[in-house]
Amino acid sequence: DIQMTQSPSSLSASVGDRVTITCRASQGISNSLAWYQQKPGKAPKLLLYAASRLESGVPSRFSGSGSGTDYTLTISSLQPEDFATYYCQQYYRTPPMYTFGQGTKLEIK
Amino acid sequence: QLQLQESGPGLVKASETLSLTCTVSGGSISTSNYHWGWIRQPPGKGLEWIGSISYSGSTYHNVSLKSRVSISGDTSKNLVSLKLSSVTAADTAVYYCARHFSLMGDYYMDVWGKGTTVSVS
Repeated sequence: DIQMTQSPSSLSASVGDRVTITCRASQGISNSLAWYQQKPGKAPKLLLYAASRLESGVPSRFSGSGSGTDYTLTISSLQPEDFATYYCQQYYRTPPMYTFGQGTKLEIK
Repeated sequence: QLQLQESGPGLVKASETLSLTCTVSGGSISTSNYHWGWIRQPPGKGLEWIGSISYSGSTYHNVSLKSRVSISGDTSKNLVSLKLSSVTAADTAVYYCARHFSLMGDYYMDVWGKGTTVSVS
């Protein structure tokens, strides 16, 4: 099985900060990676897919990059509504399966 | 607008079978290149994929759940069902259903239901 390791597990930042969250796969996943945002009591929301493609309606301050085993989610200028938990998720084709990272809780400093 | 609504008992006894339904409105579960799946989240913990079903009815699931998982689709009612047998307290979680869309053979979860809480007593 492919394991996904996110870092950090929690992060304190201020409005306006630039923030980066990292996800590392236990083997290469060829950009088959998505990022989700989850607020308390709510379902996850898709932010980016295929490592760097922005989902429709998601602000451009969110961006993704990476290749092979290492991927990053960057928020260029934190807004109050961005404080949430973020998850990476990989899709593996054979056999088809999905694995989520353990999550990164982004809190207000 | 596509909407997914999970439903089912909020309380299940240990060793019994958990049964949930995801009713899809605003779209068809038979639409090509979409899959439909179940994801759960234990209290205070992260997300775990349970299993999915394709638009053609083929299913696949998380091997860590072994043979306890059964997923099916009812095209006449436009819903997807989940059955999880021999439940224990570890199966207590919020259960979500989600649509998966395809990009060059990879799948991503773009529309989610609000989730339903299931407790195992």
